[in-house]
Amino acid sequence: GAGVSQSPSNKVTEKGKDVELRCDPISGHTALYWYRQRLGQGLEFLIYFQGNSAPDKSGLPSDRFSAERTGESVSTLTIQRTQQEDSAVYLCASSPSTSSYNEQFFGPGTRLTVL
Amino acid sequence: DQQVKQNSPSLSVQEGRISILNCDYTNSMFDYFLWYKKYPAEGPTFLISISSIKDKNEDGRFTVFLNKSAKHLSLHIVPSQPGDSAVYFCAVTLLNSNSGYALNFGKGTSLLVTP
Repeated sequence: GAGVSQSPSNKVTEKGKDVELRCDPISGHTALYWYRQRLGQGLEFLIYFQGNSAPDKSGLPSDRFSAERTGESVSTLTIQRTQQEDSAVYLCASSPSTSSYNEQFFGPGTRLTVL
Repeated sequence: DQQVKQNSPSLSVQEGRISILNCDYTNSMFDYFLWYKKYPAEGPTFLISISSIKDKNEDGRFTVFLNKSAKHLSLHIVPSQPGDSAVYFCAVTLLNSNSGYALNFGKGTSLLVTP
């Protein structure tokens, strides 16, 4: 079956521009997570969706970051007025349940480069 | 604060020998402990996990050991194969109403298995 997909796979943008990153989770997965990996670092958790709802947005790096999820399906991560420190690989993962532990399935990521 | 530490950035092992990857964590409340494998330009793929109530879990060539008193996790690969060459991430998690089972990752260990 289809796994988690993300688009675009690569995005190069100029400082100050807005970008939108998309995640299509595995169908039926209620839990969705966004992470990012900066060069030489481990993955850093950004935000969690329980269905359509994100209980806590404090993990987002700054108020330039926002995320939405519609219909327990697609999620978008939007970065406004991008800065060079936003350059990273942004990864999305989905999981079947929000109430019990299950493996998270990761997408291939979006590599964002801010010039 | 780094809650998960992988102190060896890289490891080189000969084909057929044992690979041992190590991980230390700081919070004794974590419920689940996982290893993910990552190839370049791909998302992490789940390898093996262990819950806090166990001290060993085996899956084919892969065994994960958990030492709760030492807050230490290790992954053994026996025998190592060239296709195992990848970056291995240790991750830990516990259920949180705001972040679900968000994973806390180490920085990774790059394993090279030489023929």
